[in-house]
Amino acid sequence: EAGVAQSPRYKIIEKRQSVAFWCNPISGHATLYWYQQILGQGPKLLIQFQNNGVVDDSQLPKDRFSAERLKGVDSTLKIQPAKLEDSAVYLCASSLSGGSGQETQYFGPGTRLLVL
Amino acid sequence: GDSVTQMEGPVTLSEEACLTINCTYTATGYPSLFWYVQYPGEGLQLLLKATKADDKGSNKGFEATYRKETTSFHLEKGSVQVSDSAVYFCALKLSFGAGTTVTVRA
Repeated sequence: EAGVAQSPRYKIIEKRQSVAFWCNPISGHATLYWYQQILGQGPKLLIQFQNNGVVDDSQLPKDRFSAERLKGVDSTLKIQPAKLEDSAVYLCASSLSGGSGQETQYFGPGTRLLVL
Repeated sequence: GDSVTQMEGPVTLSEEACLTINCTYTATGYPSLFWYVQYPGEGLQLLLKATKADDKGSNKGFEATYRKETTSFHLEKGSVQVSDSAVYFCALKLSFGAGTTVTVRA
């Protein structure tokens, strides 16, 4: 069974530029999550989708971050414009169904973003 | 809100030593608790979990017991190996601890 796929693996941009990350969850998984992991910290949830609907985006900085999961499968997270403090690893995860936080999450390898 | 507090590291120990990483939680009700592990160069993966009070999760020689009296879910292993070197995260629902880096020396 294929795992969660993410691309790109690494990205270097200058501040005020835009960047997009892509995630393809495990086939059949209804719930998809995007996390931000700053060096030395644990992952912080940015947004949670169940199928193509948003369940929780309370910690997403909506003035610069956006995410979509149009067909309930793969997802894109965008940052526009980027700030220095956005330098982090962006993790995508998926789980089979409910997304209540009671299920095991399966993580992708992450995208490491450096904003200069 | 729901949260976990995890013992900070880093932790360095010799092979065959005992390892304990403390994790305490604050939660409404009795949600599932998880330990995830991140090996060097790899993504986060589930190590073990417990779904209700007094449950014990176990995997790869690691154990953790869901204790509601002390609101804890400490991770333990009796004899570590070099291959256990990794970052360990305690998690409750979608809230993760800061991670504990463990290095095991041969």
